[in-house]
Amino acid sequence: AQSVAQPEDQVNVAEGNPLTVKCTYSVSGNPYLFWYVQYPNRGLQFLLKYITGDNLVKGSYGFEAEFNKSQTSFHLKKPSALVSDSALYFCAVRESLWGQNFVFGPGTRLSVLP
Amino acid sequence: DSGVTQTPKHLITATGQRVTLRCSPRSGDLSVYWYQQSLDQGLQFLIHYYNGEERAKGNILERFSAQQFPDLHSELNLSSLELGDSALYFCASSAGNNEQFFGPGTRLTVL
Repeated sequence: AQSVAQPEDQVNVAEGNPLTVKCTYSVSGNPYLFWYVQYPNRGLQFLLKYITGDNLVKGSYGFEAEFNKSQTSFHLKKPSALVSDSALYFCAVRESLWGQNFVFGPGTRLSVLP
Repeated sequence: DSGVTQTPKHLITATGQRVTLRCSPRSGDLSVYWYQQSLDQGLQFLIHYYNGEERAKGNILERFSAQQFPDLHSELNLSSLELGDSALYFCASSAGNNEQFFGPGTRLTVL
């Protein structure tokens, strides 16, 4: 069965500093990996995905993520954090088989301090 | 705007009652997913429909049911409501194996 772990409930970073939100996954086949962001009282918004190809994926709002197959990780990164990046971030995985469902991690709350 | 719509936005009801939540997917998306988000349990997958057929069930209670209609909109029915059912309910749609697009959610409060 597929699973996702986000080992940090909360990440605090100062504005202008680089940020990393960690995600590790477990699937039996090739993974489809996703990052979503949720602002207060809003639905989840898609940030980026890894399907195949280059291990470094660039997404919305300056975010990027690096797929590492040997470490089964897909960490979200941004070179310079903004206060407006403060939100709840979810990593999700889906096996590359048709009809399989998305499994979401528990979420990591990012706080960017001015 | 994700293109996924959900109604109602808020719903307040009493224990023991039944409610129906509605979701319209993005144009062209055949898959609809339902999720429950509560403070203590994060985002829980409930059920997945593809082109009118149930594809997978997650942590969905027997008191809950869903269906997807020929026009691809979906409804989630919650019955015999309990206080613990109070949560945000999200619908998402997707095309194939691509990313999901989430609606704004329905906040259910059971008193």
